[in-house]
Amino acid sequence: GDSVTQMEGPVTLSEEAFLTINCTYTATGYPSLFWYVQYPGEGLQLLLKATKADDKGSNKGFEATYRKETTSFHLEKGSVQVSDSAVYFCALKRDNYGQNFVFGPGTRLSVLP
Amino acid sequence: NAGVTQTPKFRVLKTGQSMTLLCAQDMNHEYMYWYRQDPGMGLRLIHYSVGEGTTAKGEVPDGYNVSRLKKQNFLLGLESAAPSQTSVYFCASSYDRALNQPQHFGDGTRLSIL
Repeated sequence: GDSVTQMEGPVTLSEEAFLTINCTYTATGYPSLFWYVQYPGEGLQLLLKATKADDKGSNKGFEATYRKETTSFHLEKGSVQVSDSAVYFCALKRDNYGQNFVFGPGTRLSVLP
Repeated sequence: NAGVTQTPKFRVLKTGQSMTLLCAQDMNHEYMYWYRQDPGMGLRLIHYSVGEGTTAKGEVPDGYNVSRLKKQNFLLGLESAAPSQTSVYFCASSYDRALNQPQHFGDGTRLSIL
């Protein structure tokens, strides 16, 4: 079945460090890909998305490129801030009627000052 | 600009009690979902709905029931609460099945069963 795999956390970085959170997926067809962020005590918020191969999603300094050849959608940011500390979820949406979202397990990021 | 609103935000129940969690969205979304989030388990889909009057089971439906009598509301019921249902519950909605439409989440309901 369809699935999303993320690098295990927690990831701990110093402020201004470069961030990469790996995400790979398995899916039939051509899904859309999403990154969500969850801050402590809150719900998931959409961070960025890409709907077809080679699309790059970007928001708030984060970016991710839909790589069909490697079935990946890695999240990157050039310089993280303490306020980026959160849990990050990679997800795919498939074209079917019904249960159409698949989420990864989440990766916790802690950024130290 | 409410988006997805969940009530209540916190609740403590005793084993065997019943309760209903309410999810309301004001975005005219067709699809609605209920998830639970437990430490180390990620998000698990309980039930979902693809339109008013329809519901379907997700991956962990046992012990829960749902209803979608109005398009904007999706109710999650626990008929006889058990300690294993202690969790954070999230409601989400999506405009339709189109691939470019993301899910929008509420802020969650933190439920403790004693």
